[in-house]
Amino acid sequence: GAVVSQHPSRVICKSGTSVKIECRSLDFQATTMFWYRQFPKQSLMLMATSNEGSKATYEQGVEKDKFLINHASLTLSTLTVTSAHPEDSSFYICSAGDRGFPLGEQYFGPGTRLTVT
Amino acid sequence: AQTVTQSQPEMSVQEAETVTLSCTYDTSESDYYLFWYKQPPSRQMILVIRQEAYKQQNATENRFSVNFQKAAKSFSLKISDSQLGDAAMYFCAYRAPNFGNEKLTFGTGTRLTIIP
Repeated sequence: GAVVSQHPSRVICKSGTSVKIECRSLDFQATTMFWYRQFPKQSLMLMATSNEGSKATYEQGVEKDKFLINHASLTLSTLTVTSAHPEDSSFYICSAGDRGFPLGEQYFGPGTRLTVT
Repeated sequence: AQTVTQSQPEMSVQEAETVTLSCTYDTSESDYYLFWYKQPPSRQMILVIRQEAYKQQNATENRFSVNFQKAAKSFSLKISDSQLGDAAMYFCAYRAPNFGNEKLTFGTGTRLTIIP
């Protein structure tokens, strides 16, 4: 299957600072990337969808100015959590898809655990 | 809006036995895609199996197979010869067919425990 990497795997930051998470498709070109948030023992909650070279589409209730998403190339998308607060602590997962995939399947990165102190 | 329901929060099965995880969904579309993803303790989401709605034949991937009942909007996952490595959260997911709307709608998940 296609491989997606995510960096860093864990990050601890202080309240009020910003943190950037990278998502890369390693062996395919990702026309679309998705960012999810997952709370303990819960399902994945879609935050936003990004297409290369265009603005991200955010789900209802997700603050655009707080969660900045950039999809600058066909292999890289970044999520920046700005002015992070303890309530932003969570597990963030990216996924990537390509229009060439026959069923539009998505492949997931290993996730990033963010802790805001 | 599409919804995906997994009515079994937890399931357990004896090693080497067979287990079936349930999933139902609601959609007004006639063509769509369905997936099962596995999330082991590492939390890496792994694609297990996929199904196109217009294909009547049930998808199979080694020990994993689905029972797709389109009229009933049911998409269950059968795991045969269960192994310890199958222990994980399993998520059923739905995707609409249209370009520009490729997002997945996930169910709430079923935690599968394998009993040695």
